[in-house]
Order: sequence, then structure tokens, then C-alpha cells
Amino acid sequence: EVQLVESGGGLVQPGGSLRLSCAASGFTFSSYEMNWVRQAPGKGLEWVSYISSSGSTIYYADSVKGRFTISRDNAKNSLYLQMNSLRAEDTAVYYCARVPLDPRGYMDVWGKGTTVTVSS
Amino acid sequence: SSELTQDPAVSVALGQTVRITCQGDSLRSYYASWYQQKPGQAPVLVIYGKNNRPSGIPDRFSGSSSGNTASLTITGAQAEDEADYYCNSRDSSGPWVFGGGTKLTVL
Repeated sequence: EVQLVESGGGLVQPGGSLRLSCAASGFTFSSYEMNWVRQAPGKGLEWVSYISSSGSTIYYADSVKGRFTISRDNAKNSLYLQMNSLRAEDTAVYYCARVPLDPRGYMDVWGKGTTVTVSS
Repeated sequence: SSELTQDPAVSVALGQTVRITCQGDSLRSYYASWYQQKPGQAPVLVIYGKNNRPSGIPDRFSGSSSGNTASLTITGAQAEDEADYYCNSRDSSGPWVFGGGTKLTVL
């Protein structure tokens, strides 16, 4: 079964750090690009970061640029999001999503999400 | 970066047809994809590319596009289609952008 499972969320104080993980199974992880997408409470979906299949190409949303770092370990079938200098507005459910190598651009498999709460 | 604009809310009578639209400059260059999200659940891909449905998505869901506008059409809406729907596309300044979402109510 194709599956993505996020972990690492929790309660953190403003200015703190957190590292999210996304464990992939049931498919050849190294053949797919990946995204992190978040959803603040009661709000819509917000794209956060993208990484190519090899990890050589990375993009960030302006709202997290300079604070968040995306990475992947294809040998461990894992995706990561290092989040530093966290702010209250980073409070959200964070999803990892699989991106097929397809010019049509879409996310075909999503994890269930992990919740990050930034509060003192 | 580009933006995608969706109507915040749309309603449809049970069994009728509803169209949810998404407007944005990025849609002139990139396909839209559409995601259904029910309360407390992760988003689910329902339409991608010109008009492609993933396995398991009912054929009452269809997609179309013209100029800077993409549309998701549900023909014969069912009670289980009540959900939030988000459009998404790549963007020339960064690879992805979401619309604000449309809350679909089935009456």
C-alpha cells in the first residue's frame, strides 16, 4: 500500500525549532518529487516547500524562506522539514504530498498530517 | 508570486450539476489540479491535467480549462461530495500555488 506518514509535530515556543519527518512506503521514493503543504486552523491549504527527486532542486514559499529547510534521504525513504525561528503563524497541520514526475504537476498521495502548535 | 482565486462557497441541490471555478495567471501556462478535503481529513486528488481522474474517483467529477480559468464540474452531485475543494497549479516564480478553497454545500 502506498503510504506517507508524517511525524515530529508538537507544541513549541515562539522562536523554537522542530523537525518534521515523512516516512514513505509502498513505492519507489527516489522516483518522486515531494511537497510540504500546511493548513492553519480553519484556513485553506498553503504550499510550503518542494524538493526534486534527487534533492538538487528546492523551492520555498516566501512565508518560510530562510527559516525552514526541506531535505530528503532516499536511502531511508524519508522526507524532512527543519523548521527554525517558529512563529505563531506557523501553527498548522503539516502534510507531505507525493509529486509524480509528470509535467502536468499534481500531488497524488498525501499523508494524514502532523500538527504543529507554536505558542508560549 | 501568482494567486489563484476561488469563490468561497457554492451550493448545489442533490443530483444537480455544479461548477467550481479557479482563476489565475498561472493557469495560462500550467494545468490546474483539484483536491477534495472533508473535515478532519487530508486532501484527496480528484482531477489533474486536462481532465484526468485518479483511480477511485467517480466519473461525475470532471475538469476543464479556458484561458486563465480552470473549472471543476460535478455532474449529479451526491451528499458525500459536500467538502472543501482547492485548485492548485505550478507557478513560474515558485513551483506551486493553491486557491483559497471553495466550500461546497449539497442541499
